[in-house]
Amino acid sequence: GQQVMQIPQYQHVQEGEDFTTYCNSSTTLSNIQWYKQRPGGHPVFLIQLVKSGEVKKQKRLTFQFGEAKKNSSLHITATQTTDVGTYFCAVSGYSTLTFGKGTMLLVSP
Amino acid sequence: GAVVSQHPSWVICKSGTSVKIECRSLDFQATTMFWYRQFPKQSLMLMATSNEGSKATYEQGVEKDKFLINHASLTLSTLTVTSAHPEDSSFYICSAQPQDRGRRETQYFGPGTRLLVL
Repeated sequence: GQQVMQIPQYQHVQEGEDFTTYCNSSTTLSNIQWYKQRPGGHPVFLIQLVKSGEVKKQKRLTFQFGEAKKNSSLHITATQTTDVGTYFCAVSGYSTLTFGKGTMLLVSP
Repeated sequence: GAVVSQHPSWVICKSGTSVKIECRSLDFQATTMFWYRQFPKQSLMLMATSNEGSKATYEQGVEKDKFLINHASLTLSTLTVTSAHPEDSSFYICSAQPQDRGRRETQYFGPGTRLLVL
């Protein structure tokens, strides 16, 4: 199945700072999904990107899909303590999802 | 909405016993359900894909005789961990894929079941 590398593994920021996590693949992806998992919780679907160069925004979150459809990023502007959690990218193969290792975000007030 | 429930939310059992976990899609029908396992501070690892009315497809390294999956209806899949051992202690999460065409690529996750085997 398709593999994705996600970096960084972990990031600790001060509230108000920006945060970005990256997902990279050696092969072209048909689509990419992003999930957020709060500590002790389960993954919650955030968004799916399908088109080359696509950019989508959800309030302070900006999602990008690379022109070559081999990488994606999630950027959070002015983080808040409620942003704490692990952010996973996932790629869908034939009806299955393969998750990246996730980026754990810690936000200090 | 697209709500998936799991029961129980947590379970503690003795080594050697079997544990059954239920996954239900509450407001949609799911042709396909997935079972994942997540160890602390690690990513979700797909264990098996469960299709209603047919045998589950297991990922490499997952013992099908140990992790029994039954998908008897379009809203219910069960995972039974047979003869559980301490190393089976983990967070088990199911997800369900809606049957309707517009949402088929999205998976909706249940709240997970924490299993502790003593």
